[in-house]
Parts: sequence; C-alpha cells; structure tokens
Amino acid sequence: GAVVSQHPSWVICKSGTSVKIECRSLDFQATTMFWYRQFPKQSLMLMATSNEGSKATYEQGVEKDKFLINHASLTLSTLTVTSAHPEDSSFYICSALQGTGNTIYFGEGSWLTVV
Amino acid sequence: QQQVKQSPQSLIVQKGGISIINCAYENTAFDYFPWYQQFPGKGPALLIAIRPDVSEKKEGRFTISFNKSAKQFSLHIMDSQPGDSATYFCAASYPGNQFYFGTGTSLTVIP
Repeated sequence: GAVVSQHPSWVICKSGTSVKIECRSLDFQATTMFWYRQFPKQSLMLMATSNEGSKATYEQGVEKDKFLINHASLTLSTLTVTSAHPEDSSFYICSALQGTGNTIYFGEGSWLTVV
Repeated sequence: QQQVKQSPQSLIVQKGGISIINCAYENTAFDYFPWYQQFPGKGPALLIAIRPDVSEKKEGRFTISFNKSAKQFSLHIMDSQPGDSATYFCAASYPGNQFYFGTGTSLTVIP
C-alpha cells in the first residue's frame, strides 16, 4: 500500500517553544492531507484539512494561530504547534488522500510531549 | 453529532473465535466504508474497505458485511488471534471529503 511518512516520531519540547511535524506522501501525490489529534484510548479527532496551495480548513474549536498548517507541495504538509504548552502534549497523526477517490493512508503518528 | 456510531467499545474474544464489531451511519451520501487497525503508539492502518454496491467483502480472515437499507456495516474477524489485539476504527466518507471515524473498539484476543 501507499506510504505516508511522519517525522519526527516523537519529540519533547519546552513550554513556550514551537514544534514542527512533517507529513510526507512517499509514493503518490496528495492534494489533500488531514491532521488529527488522538488522546489515549480515544478516537481520532480531526483538527484540520490541508489542501495543497491553499489555506487549511480548521475544525471548530481548533486554534488556527496555534496549530499552523502548511501544504506547500503535493507530497508535504507540516503542522507547527506554536508556543506549545503541556496541554498540547498528545499523539498527532496525519493522513493523505490518494487521488480524487476515497482512499487515505495514515502516517505513523508523532508523540509530542511538552515539558 | 456523531456521524458514525461504533460498538462495542471493548471486546474480549478467545483465540480462534469470531470478533464482530458494528458500525452505523446516518448520511446516505457516504460511499466508502473502511476499517482501520491501530496498534498502541502507531498510526491507523487500512485493513479492509467496502463500497455500498456490494453487501460483503472478504480478505483473508477479515470480512465486512454491509446493510445499505439499515445503514449498518460490520467487521468480522474469523479465527481471531492474539496478534489481532488492537483498536479498530470504522469510518465513512464521500469522495474527496473528510473521513468520519467511529469511536473505536479495543479488541483483546485471549490465548
């Protein structure tokens, strides 16, 4: 199956700093990527939909100024958590939509711990 | 509003048994229904998917049953193995749109 790479797999940062997480589709072009947040033993919470070359669409309740999303190319989307705080500690997962159909592939996720 | 409702929340099955997870949806515009398997600390992986023009799809030990009139679909895992222990998510979408996920089912297969 298609591969979506997410980097870093885990990161620890100090409170107040910013952290960037990358999501790459390795063997297909993805005009649309999604960013999720997942708390332990809970479902995936969609944060935003990232479209190549345009502004991301954020879900209600997600601070767009805090979670900056950039989709500069057809194979790369980035999520930057700005001025991170301990409550931002979570598992962040991206997915990429293959083609114009329905199939999406997930990255391996990134563990963020803010201390 | 929960677009896709999933049950049970957790499931314990003996090795060799059948695991059954159910999902129900409301939006009749959905035309793609995948199941994802997620191991702890990993991203979800596509397991099997179905479109509403068929009532059943089987891949190895995994089968999706789809009931369009009832707006329900289910995942059956035959001959369940301890290695199948994971969290399973159902989802629904329509072309190019976001996926709506169920709340997940934690499956434990006891040796």
